Amino acid sequence: DGGITQSPKYLFRKEGQNVTLSCEQNLNHDAMYWYRQDPGQGLRLIYYSQIVNDFQKGDIAEGYSVSREKKESFPLTVTSAQKNPTAFYLCATLGGSGRYSTDTQYFGPGTRLTVL
Amino acid sequence: GQQVMQIPQYQHVQEGEDFTTYCNSSTTLSNIQWYKQRPGGHPVFLIQLVKSGEVKKQKRLTFQFGEAKKNSSLHITATQTTDVGTYFCAGRRMDSSYKLIFGSGTRLLVRP
Repeated sequence: DGGITQSPKYLFRKEGQNVTLSCEQNLNHDAMYWYRQDPGQGLRLIYYSQIVNDFQKGDIAEGYSVSREKKESFPLTVTSAQKNPTAFYLCATLGGSGRYSTDTQYFGPGTRLTVL
Repeated sequence: GQQVMQIPQYQHVQEGEDFTTYCNSSTTLSNIQWYKQRPGGHPVFLIQLVKSGEVKKQKRLTFQFGEAKKNSSLHITATQTTDVGTYFCAGRRMDSSYKLIFGSGTRLLVRP
């Protein structure tokens, strides 16, 4: 929200192709997250990163990969191994930095991925 | 694993009626947060509750955190069409994990 950019808003890909979703933030927040949302369902955590060059698997990491080379960027790759990739993907940060971290999650506008 | 259950799944009310959604965790939470997602949008933070038995109000919205820090509720008085959306609770575990556990959400529809 505000300082989190996700692109593109809508993405279409053919089955079997890898696709990378972009997430950039200028909030200077340390922690970043990727969630997946399916119609009528809540948010499921894919991956999260507490600091640069470090990330952990969430609850549904299979078929996804991430990198965190810069504090501002946390791209998500949906690989061909992901059995049902069509969904709404949300990137988020955790408010604050270092000792001033808060518990609030700030969400980007999301990317709707459709695999044909 | 730890779960956060949220009910009802959806509710359709007449404008002016009240609305309540409930959130229940299988384990004690460090805190609980509430988010609102408008149709086609992304979740937006509403409030955080930390203390046992805490009650907070935002205009027509009242949030409660249970005494055992395992359940929470959001009550909207006299709903308006602008209240339409999905309301999610999200709990943080006591081990100070960086992970939030989201409820499945309650979708609110308001008839004008």
